[in-house]
Amino acid sequence: SYELTQPPSVSVSPGQTASITCSGDKLGNKYICWYQQRPGQSPVLVIYQDSLRPSGIPERFSASNSGTTATLTISGTQAVDEAEYFCQTWDIKTAIFGGGTKLTVL
Amino acid sequence: EVRLVESGGGLVQTGGSLRLSCTASGFNVDTKFMNWVRQAPGKGLEWVSIIYSGGATDYADSVRGRFTISRDNSANSLFLQMNRLKVDDAAVYYCARCGKQMDRAGFDLWGLGTRVTLSS
Repeated sequence: SYELTQPPSVSVSPGQTASITCSGDKLGNKYICWYQQRPGQSPVLVIYQDSLRPSGIPERFSASNSGTTATLTISGTQAVDEAEYFCQTWDIKTAIFGGGTKLTVL
Repeated sequence: EVRLVESGGGLVQTGGSLRLSCTASGFNVDTKFMNWVRQAPGKGLEWVSIIYSGGATDYADSVRGRFTISRDNSANSLFLQMNRLKVDDAAVYYCARCGKQMDRAGFDLWGLGTRVTLSS
């Protein structure tokens, strides 16, 4: 079955750029979405179709997908961005989620 | 207001059954692809099932044959009938909507979730 791999944790200083990766076999041939989940809350879609931001998501969130790796980038990271981030794709009518990356803003 | 509200979670014995509900507001469930996604305590997200706008369904291998997704258009609600429950089914179950271009649209609306706890 298809798998998406994320680093368990990433740390960033306030105001700096955070990058969270998601890897999978020929991932660039699929579309990827990204979700933010703050503690005790439901997930929120922050990126769809590889790099598009839903309405209401700040411009500091951007993303790309090529080859075997998708990357979520948060520019000018703020304390409010501290959360867990999940990547997601579809494979043969099954939604696949990465294991999640906890972003810590130090 | 566009939202999803789940209910029906609780404590159930292994081998037992439970029926989860999700009521939608602000849109019609039969015009979207509706899903159940679960999250075990301290774990990541796991997709469970989808019901397409046309009524067809798909399931994760881990629940196929035990869980049944359905909807009631008149009640604008989604359901998940869970039978032969196992310890590994313990989780918060989220109702989530995705667009018809599901391979690219993402789950753009989530409920608050309902917790299912298993006892042996």
